[in-house]
Amino acid sequence: DAGITQSPRYKITETGRQVTLMCHQTWSHSYMFWYRQDLGHGLRLIYYSAAADITDKGEVPDGYVVSRSKTENFPLTLESATRSQTSVYFCASTGRRDTQYFGPGTRLTVL
Amino acid sequence: DQQVKQNSPSLSVQEGRISILNCDYTNSMFDYFLWYKKYPAEGPTFLISISSIKDKNEDGRFTVFLNKSAKHLSLHIVPSQPGDSAVYFCAASARTTDSWGKLQFGAGTQVVVTP
Repeated sequence: DAGITQSPRYKITETGRQVTLMCHQTWSHSYMFWYRQDLGHGLRLIYYSAAADITDKGEVPDGYVVSRSKTENFPLTLESATRSQTSVYFCASTGRRDTQYFGPGTRLTVL
Repeated sequence: DQQVKQNSPSLSVQEGRISILNCDYTNSMFDYFLWYKKYPAEGPTFLISISSIKDKNEDGRFTVFLNKSAKHLSLHIVPSQPGDSAVYFCAASARTTDSWGKLQFGAGTQVVVTP
């Protein structure tokens, strides 16, 4: 399907485990982003990527790792999950400066 | 330090009336502003935007106003419909090399349109 997809949609894990959230877009957009949404904070940028093999930190990058070997994929890894990383995670992409297109989100619970 | 602020966490409005959502920003480098709408269990969807060279942009029932001197923007929805019940996020970006495409979001305003 065309667009931007995220998997899994829901994930429950335990403290200390590694978790990878997947993001895939079919528009060949250069830019991709990972956000987390928490009550009272809106969406905060974790990492972004300007192109394949080019990534950079956002506002809240600690505890997260990203990679982008292919233009269409932008996985986000929590190397050792903590309870404070319980959140809803959104992936987004854009081919131009203004409008970002968001995926449906992944709700992650860390026990 | 939040650079984009939506001070009203919620807004209740009657169907057919006007909804006015407010957003303030502190970074004078912001020159592009957007509003996103979000339903539960879905990702945010783009609603309307405005460049700093304009003070108003209209799209159907939605109008965004920008007051640069006050660092304030607002979204007007006229008339409000039940399907407008959602969380609305204000976002801003700055035209600098290291900020390209990066958006700063407000905390959101939950709008409830009642019959």
